[in-house]
Amino acid sequence: DAKTTQPPSMDCAEGRAANLPCNHSTISGNEYVYWYRQIHSQGPQYIIHGLKNNETNEMASLIITEDRKSSTLILPHATLRDTAVYYCIVRAESKNNAGNMLTFGGGTRLMVKP
Amino acid sequence: DTEVTQTPKHLVMGMTNKKSLKCEQHMGHRAMYWYKQKAKKPPELMFVYSYEKLSINESVPSRFSPECPNSSLLNLHLHALQPEDSALYLCASSQGKLPGTAYEQYFGPGTRLTVT
Repeated sequence: DAKTTQPPSMDCAEGRAANLPCNHSTISGNEYVYWYRQIHSQGPQYIIHGLKNNETNEMASLIITEDRKSSTLILPHATLRDTAVYYCIVRAESKNNAGNMLTFGGGTRLMVKP
Repeated sequence: DTEVTQTPKHLVMGMTNKKSLKCEQHMGHRAMYWYKQKAKKPPELMFVYSYEKLSINESVPSRFSPECPNSSLLNLHLHALQPEDSALYLCASSQGKLPGTAYEQYFGPGTRLTVT
């Protein structure tokens, strides 16, 4: 799986958009970009994933560059409850019954401030 | 129901004890996972079960023994652990595979294990 690079920490004002970048310059054509977050003392929570096109759901938007070498997770109106570690993971889908194992990197610690 | 439950929430055990961690999901998922997370570190994969069969063991020491009695349950049996095994143990599940299909993992809240 391709390696990802994320800034170790970011701050965001409450109510503003939080834009979390991720570099994945060695991504392959069949690899998806996943985003998970982990709020303190809880299990990781799936946020969104994408392959080529931009994606949006009720939690966030995912913007993937045309060359797919980087992406940005956007939380449109950050709240204090969005304070968490955000993980960007690149993963090819399994071709057998091996399951969808995730390799977590260091992530970005997002602090939303009042 | 998109919940993965884990019991117990906290566990303290001595190095000579035998204990088990339990994980349960009722989403019909056919892949289940154990991860280990040390303080201030990201989760690390330990085991993957797919259709109740062990498909991935990430070179985990034999003092950790996984078991998948049925498609809804996943256990992790612990024996003769060391203090450095103290960590948060996370269980996750995901749908069975359709080739080339992306699918997310759902995580439980974890069991915080302390080995004394």
